[in-house]
Amino acid sequence: KAGVTQTPRYLIKTRGQQVTLSCSPISGHRSVSWYQQTPGQGLQFLFEYFSETQRNKGNFPGRFSGRQFSNSRSEMNVSTLELGDSALYLCASRSATGGDGYTFGSGTRLTVV
Amino acid sequence: QKEVEQNSGPLSVPEGAIASLNCTYSDRGSQSFFWYRQYSGKSPELIMFIYSNGDKEDGRFTAQLNKASQYVSLLIRDSQPSDSATYLCAFNTNAGKSTFGDGTTLTVKP
Repeated sequence: KAGVTQTPRYLIKTRGQQVTLSCSPISGHRSVSWYQQTPGQGLQFLFEYFSETQRNKGNFPGRFSGRQFSNSRSEMNVSTLELGDSALYLCASRSATGGDGYTFGSGTRLTVV
Repeated sequence: QKEVEQNSGPLSVPEGAIASLNCTYSDRGSQSFFWYRQYSGKSPELIMFIYSNGDKEDGRFTAQLNKASQYVSLLIRDSQPSDSATYLCAFNTNAGKSTFGDGTTLTVKP
């Protein structure tokens, strides 16, 4: 069974640019969540999508957005990048009920210079 | 008050000892509780989940849940150097959002 696939693995962007990250969940998982992980802040919840609809949202500015496609693949976009956006972005998928926890992808390491 | 508080680390135990990791949560409506392990440079992986009060055992790992005290713990028996990692506790809110603690870093010394 294929795991959660995130692309790209590494990304270097300049302040002010925008970036799009991609995530393919485990087959059959319709829930996809995005987290930002930094050494100082731990795992911070960005948003969750289920069946193409945003189901939950964290406390991030509107520069962070996402979407989910009919095949459950999800993308996350960050516009007008800031230095503080440098982090590991993790995508995780789970079953509809979420009771069995997340499976995480390997993450995208974003560096903003 | 943070939604999830984990005992501050780092925690260091000798090989073969019991490692005890603790977590408290503030949302009384939480129903599902999880422990994830994250090795340095890797993404978190789920190792245990628990829904009911009491203990749940899986090999060398035991999760303990006390909803009245809003407390969940993870015991690792016969700790091995390969258990050295950061352990994250998490719970699902009624809205289904998963909230994570900041993690406790465990080092098992040979």
